Amino acid sequence: ETGVTQSPTHLIKTRGQQVTLRCSSQSGHNTVSWYQQALGQGPQFIFQYYREEENGRGNFPPRFSGLQFPNYSSELNVNALELDDSALYLCASSPKDSQETQYFGPGTRLLVL
Amino acid sequence: AQKITQTQPGMFVQEKEAVTLDCTYDTSDQSYGLFWYKQPSSGEMIFLIYQGSYDEQNATEGRYSLNFQKARKSANLVISASQLGDSAMYFCAMREEISSGSARQLTFGSGTQLTVLP
Repeated sequence: ETGVTQSPTHLIKTRGQQVTLRCSSQSGHNTVSWYQQALGQGPQFIFQYYREEENGRGNFPPRFSGLQFPNYSSELNVNALELDDSALYLCASSPKDSQETQYFGPGTRLLVL
Repeated sequence: AQKITQTQPGMFVQEKEAVTLDCTYDTSDQSYGLFWYKQPSSGEMIFLIYQGSYDEQNATEGRYSLNFQKARKSANLVISASQLGDSAMYFCAMREEISSGSARQLTFGSGTQLTVLP
């Protein structure tokens, strides 16, 4: 158990819809990162939030957006869903500026039809 | 740009034997960290072991050890005394360790599916 939780566990949406995924960080961790893992591939970095501001982004379009709240919980929002957005979405929390690793939640499996 | 290569899509090992999962990396950074994660079919990424680029000794965590060869840019995971519960996908990942101000994201390889046979 990492102390990182995600909701929902599974989600089915149709193309063009919008989705919000949620993550609760491990206690004491003020940095959260989101990753997309397509079937059969390694996770790809989407973005990272530190103290409620985005401080880094991977190669994902603007329709992928996020929020981090004062209690360090986080949301990933995806607008105008496409079929290729079907994936496992993982969030990971870590303390900022430390050698500690990122601890992952169980993920949300999103299926876009 | 950082890159991680895992050349073994699948590996089989007999229970109680040791197995080595290969990982090579490419980076121009001088300071970086190397990680191994285990991902069971449930999906959660479980942290196994960490090696810093300036660490002189290979990292060990219980049955896991990391065979770090900096000149060859390799960071192989060795699992000793394999157990049935070790069957899972294993990912090697890298992170730059420079100062704050930018995201220090993990860059993952494509993974190796390990199957432990009874």
